[in-house]
Amino acid sequence: EVQLMESGGGLVKPGGSLRLSCAASGFTFRDSAMNWVRQAPGKGLQWVSTISSVGDYVYYADSVRGRFTISRDNAESSLYLQMNDLRVEDTAVYYCATSSVVVNAIDAFDIWGQGTVVIVSS
Amino acid sequence: YVLTQPPSVSVGPGQTATIACGGNNIESRSVHWYQQKSGRAPVLVMYYDSDRPSGIPERFSGSNSGNTATLTISRVEAGDEADYYCQVWDTANNHGGVFGGGTKLTVL
Repeated sequence: EVQLMESGGGLVKPGGSLRLSCAASGFTFRDSAMNWVRQAPGKGLQWVSTISSVGDYVYYADSVRGRFTISRDNAESSLYLQMNDLRVEDTAVYYCATSSVVVNAIDAFDIWGQGTVVIVSS
Repeated sequence: YVLTQPPSVSVGPGQTATIACGGNNIESRSVHWYQQKSGRAPVLVMYYDSDRPSGIPERFSGSNSGNTATLTISRVEAGDEADYYCQVWDTANNHGGVFGGGTKLTVL
């Protein structure tokens, strides 16, 4: 069974940092692009970042570029999101999601974790 | 690139729900759809406009033409009540995912 488990969320003050992790199992992690998508309270889904299967391509939303860094460890089947200079508007549930694991669609998000909550507040 | 969805759609049980996703020349893009029930993570219900992942009922179908992509749910059930989001990948301006604002489907 394909599973994604996020961790690392919490309460942080504006300007602070957090590192999110996503542990993957049930599929060949090194073959799949991985993504972070977030959802602010009561709002819709917002794509945050994508990393290619071997980590040679990374993409960021304009709202996080320069502050967030996506990375992966294929040996550990883990995905990360280093978040620096956090802002109140970064408050959200952060989901990790796979691409092209259960469906052959490189730009869709086919399996999602349950999410981890990040609250940025003073 | 901007995707526009109606905030809400309401239908009775057994009826057909149509959820639109508008975008400039969206027919030239591949559209994916997600269902998100209250308090749960999103689930992919349609990809590449009209392909259903394994386990998604045949009642779910999709199309994409002109400036509008559509998710259609036939014989709506109470369990279909959820938020639905369309999504494309934007390669023009900034490589990245783009979601519509979401549509709340209410089953009356």
